[in-house]
Amino acid sequence: QKEVEQNSGPLSVPEGAIASLNCTYSDRGSQSFFWYRQYSGKSPELIMSIYSNGDKEDGRFTAQLNKASQYVSLLIRDSQPSDSATYLCAHKDGGYSTLTFGKGTMLLVSP
Amino acid sequence: ETGVTQSPTHLIKTRGQQVTLRCSSQSGHNTVSWYQQALGQGPQFIFQYYREEENGRGNFPPRFSGLQFPNYSSELNVNALELDDSALYLCASSLRGDSYTFGSGTRLTVV
Repeated sequence: QKEVEQNSGPLSVPEGAIASLNCTYSDRGSQSFFWYRQYSGKSPELIMSIYSNGDKEDGRFTAQLNKASQYVSLLIRDSQPSDSATYLCAHKDGGYSTLTFGKGTMLLVSP
Repeated sequence: ETGVTQSPTHLIKTRGQQVTLRCSSQSGHNTVSWYQQALGQGPQFIFQYYREEENGRGNFPPRFSGLQFPNYSSELNVNALELDDSALYLCASSLRGDSYTFGSGTRLTVV
């Protein structure tokens, strides 16, 4: 079973702090990884994609990928209350290019 | 450019009934995937259609079926509804399995 594991949280951080979200996966063949943000009752929204080992930065977001250790992380700098949401980690199945999601980590940013 | 639209937004059905959910893919996208997201869980892959043919299926029983039309819109049909089918159903479109765009989802409640 190709699984994606995430801590369900909630992860609570004060406004302005760095939030660190982690994810491990079991499929060594995975090449593409994604972080989605999902507000309560809404659909997932893509915030970051990463394909190569190392860091990828986009504004306040940094995705980190380590294929040897099979983990991917998301750092959110200067966290804002509007960042409070569930963050879903996903990888793309190489066979049919479908997405396998983790259960998500709930992030709560307090003012 | 229009995004992915799903209808209806909410639906209440009785156990044993049948339901059809609809999805219009983003302009230019030829691949549609359907996901089921139960409360507190990550989206689970149901199946995917590419150019009107099913080209991938997750671990869902045959009473979950689908169609993709020449204009790349899609339907998800569920027969003999069970209480556990209550979930948010998400449609995602892409161009050949590249970046996915999710619709706003259909919230199905089975009573």
